[in-house]
Amino acid sequence: QVQLKETGPDLVQLTQTLSITCTVSGFSLTTYNVHWVRQPPGKGLEWMGAMWNGGGTDYNSAFKSRLSISRDTSKSQVFLKMNSLQTDDTAKYFCARHHWGRYFDFWGPGTMVTVSS
Amino acid sequence: DVVMTQTPVSLPVSLGGQASISCRSSQSLVHSNGNTYLHWYLQKPGQSPQLLIYRVSNRFSGVPDRFSGSGSGTDFTLKISRVEPEDLGDYYCLQSTHFPYTFGAGTKLELK
Repeated sequence: QVQLKETGPDLVQLTQTLSITCTVSGFSLTTYNVHWVRQPPGKGLEWMGAMWNGGGTDYNSAFKSRLSISRDTSKSQVFLKMNSLQTDDTAKYFCARHHWGRYFDFWGPGTMVTVSS
Repeated sequence: DVVMTQTPVSLPVSLGGQASISCRSSQSLVHSNGNTYLHWYLQKPGQSPQLLIYRVSNRFSGVPDRFSGSGSGTDFTLKISRVEPEDLGDYYCLQSTHFPYTFGAGTKLELK
């Protein structure tokens, strides 16, 4: 069955770089797209960016040049990397499978990241 | 960016009752291909969002027919009839017609 799981650090220091891995199973990264969405504690959802099945990427300009998404198809993994972290980057980070109907049909459980000074 | 205005923020309901959530977009969500990419999610406490309705009115696999979506252009509605305890949580609309994708701020469905 389709599964996604995010793994990353619980705590990141201010101004440092965040790295999160999304490991998928039950589908191929060369067939489906995987996107990243985050949710600060007690707040709403924010779309961050996309890894398309062809290997291209798209980013929310809100993250300017801080955000990078990549993948390793042989390991069924998608990577999020974001630098210059601030306290308002404290959030739960989700990866989600993007269906061709342009909706997210399966989500990982998310990984909570706290940015600490 | 397309702003998604979701109302109400909080919606107290009685079990067995009906609920209606509105989502309005700052620009039309009709894509150049003719499709409207407006979707609805429910997020229960401590869980990831789960898809309820895709492309305005299509129920996702396993979603009960108590959930229905409607609307067009910039004005969309999610209706829940015969509310059950497992329906309580935060509801979000998502537009994926325009980049960046944007979500509504959420509606908390809670017991009256």
